[in-house]
Amino acid sequence: AQKITQTQPGMFVQEKEAVTLDCTYDTSDPSYGLFWYKQPSSGEMIFLIYQGSYDQQNATEGRYSLNFQKARKSANLVISASQLGDSAMYFCAMREPNDMRFGAGTRLTVKP
Amino acid sequence: DAGVIQSPRHEVTEMGQEVTLRCKPISGHDYLFWYRQTMMRGLELLIYFNNNVPIDDSGMPEDRFSAKMPNASFSTLKIQPSEPRDSAVYFCASSLSAGGHYGYTFGSGTRLTVV
Repeated sequence: AQKITQTQPGMFVQEKEAVTLDCTYDTSDPSYGLFWYKQPSSGEMIFLIYQGSYDQQNATEGRYSLNFQKARKSANLVISASQLGDSAMYFCAMREPNDMRFGAGTRLTVKP
Repeated sequence: DAGVIQSPRHEVTEMGQEVTLRCKPISGHDYLFWYRQTMMRGLELLIYFNNNVPIDDSGMPEDRFSAKMPNASFSTLKIQPSEPRDSAVYFCASSLSAGGHYGYTFGSGTRLTVV
C-alpha cells in the first residue's frame, strides 16, 4: 500500500511568491521521520528539510518550512520567495524507522 | 567528505549482458540503500544493508538482480542478464543508524540504458 501521497503532479508559481507542495502519509508507527528532497534537472537528490514525528515545532531551513499536521498526517513543504532555481522535482519521503519510501513527486516550475 | 560515490555515471549495454553498478558510501554510515528511478514507477527501494548485511531485498524485481556489500566501504548491484526494461537511473544512498530522524545522502546515480 502506498504510504506517501503527493497529489500535485505539477505546480506553477510566480518568481518571488510562496508555494505549498502537498504531502500526506500513512503509518501506524509512532516514531518516524519526514523528509523533502529536491531533484533538479541534473538528477541529483538534494536533502531540503526534516521533521521528526515527536517534534513539537514545524521545521524550517532558510526559505523552506514544513507545515506538519500530525493528526491529519500531512507534511506540506512551503517555499517562500520562489526563485528560478527552485524549478525542479520535489519528493516527500518517510522513514519508519529504517527504510525510506518516497512519494511520486511534484514538478515545480517557477515563472519569471 | 566526498559523499556517496557511484560508478559509472552512465552505462549503455546490450540486452543479455551483465551490468555491475558500484557504490562507496560515506565513511561511518552503517546503512546503505539501492533505489531505482523510472518515470513510470518513481523511486523504488530495491534493497538495503545494515552493517554490510542485507536486511530487506523485497524490492528486488527478480532473480536477475543481485546486490552485495563485501565491506563497509563498497557495494555492488548486478543485473544478469540485463533487459531493456531495466533501463533506469540507479541511486545508492547511505545513512547513519536507524531512527527516523536520520536522512539519506544520495550518490549522483548511474543512468543505465539497455539496448
